[in-house]
Amino acid sequence: AQSVTQPDIHITVSEGASLELRCNYSYGATPYLFWYVQSPGQGLQLLLKYFSGDTLVQGIKGFEAEFKRSQSSFNLRKPSVHWSDAAEYFCAVGAERNEKLTFGTGTRLTIIP
Amino acid sequence: DAGVIQSPRHEVTEMGQEVTLRCKPISGHDYLFWYRQTMMRGLELLIYFNNNVPIDDSGMPEDRFSAKMPNASFSTLKIQPSEPRDSAVYFCASSLGSPNEQFFGPGTRLTVL
Repeated sequence: AQSVTQPDIHITVSEGASLELRCNYSYGATPYLFWYVQSPGQGLQLLLKYFSGDTLVQGIKGFEAEFKRSQSSFNLRKPSVHWSDAAEYFCAVGAERNEKLTFGTGTRLTIIP
Repeated sequence: DAGVIQSPRHEVTEMGQEVTLRCKPISGHDYLFWYRQTMMRGLELLIYFNNNVPIDDSGMPEDRFSAKMPNASFSTLKIQPSEPRDSAVYFCASSLGSPNEQFFGPGTRLTVL
């Protein structure tokens, strides 16, 4: 069965600093990987996804993620965060022939001035 | 496109009452998912449909929960009778194919007193 781990429950970064949110997955074959963002009181919005091909994926709002099969990771990065990036971030994994996505427990991002 | 529409956005009810949550998926999407989000348990998949047919309801917590999808543009999640521990945010999401990007609605915040 597929699983996903987000080891950081809460991260605080300064505005303008770089950001990396960690995501590790467990699945035998090539996974389908997603990063979602949830602002307070709202639903989840897709930032980016990886199915195959180039392992560095560009998303919306200046985010990118890199698929590393050897490390079973799909970390989310942004070179310079903005106060509006404060939100909860969820990594999710899917698999071929499995129609369900498995979501991580989320990482709450706080931005300080 | 209007996106996934959920109603009501907020529901406050008393224990023992029946609660009905509604969802309109994105037109043309063939998968519909119901999730529940709480601080303690995170994001849980309750049930999902493919072409209006329930495929997996193993996440439905009890017989008090039921879900229907009478047509491609409408789904309901019903709780009868409701209990305080059902208090949560309930999300509906839809996708074209699966696994694939799921588009989430804004959620219904349910409070059972």
